[in-house]
Amino acid sequence: DAGVIQSPRHEVTEMGQEVTLRCKPISGHNSLFWYRQTMMRGLELLIYFNNNVPIDDSGMPEDRFSAKMPNASFSTLKIQPSEPRDSAVYFCASRPGTSLNNEQFFGPGTRLTVL
Amino acid sequence: RKEVEQDPGPFNVPEGATVAFNCTYSNSASQSFFWYRQDCRKEPKLLMSVYSSGNEDGRFTAQLNRASQYISLLIRDSKLSDSATYLCVVNGGSNYQLIWGAGTKLIIKP
Repeated sequence: DAGVIQSPRHEVTEMGQEVTLRCKPISGHNSLFWYRQTMMRGLELLIYFNNNVPIDDSGMPEDRFSAKMPNASFSTLKIQPSEPRDSAVYFCASRPGTSLNNEQFFGPGTRLTVL
Repeated sequence: RKEVEQDPGPFNVPEGATVAFNCTYSNSASQSFFWYRQDCRKEPKLLMSVYSSGNEDGRFTAQLNRASQYISLLIRDSKLSDSATYLCVVNGGSNYQLIWGAGTKLIIKP
């Protein structure tokens, strides 16, 4: 079975450009998470969707960040305009059901570099 | 104080040795605890959940001390393949929120 799929795997862009990261969760999982990981701040939750509805976006750094989940099999995280401090690895994770004890399955991540 | 604290390491350990890490958490209401493993430039993967009575999975033993608010992970007979960063994870105030430690880096040497 395919795991969580993310694209692109690497993205290098210039400051001010729009960046769109994509995620396909595991089929049947109804919880989806976007995380950002940096050396300085570790793994941070950006936004959580349940049944395609954003439940908690308090981790989204600022208005430059937006996320959508138009259907159960696709989500995007957009940064517009991008800044060098956005450079990080962005992970998408999905989880079956809403039980906290259910494992979160992570995608391979998108390594973003903003020059 | 960070919500979940871990010694960043690195822990340099000879192959075959036993190594233990601790992790402390600040939210006394936390109910769920996990250890995830993250290999270099890879995604985190669940290693094991941590149960109140302690639990073991092969060479790995996890324990929870609620009174002192810490979680431990013990690795026996360490293998070269155990080299990774181990992330301590604790649930926050909601049923979906997980708080992630910064990780402890483990290097197993031959």
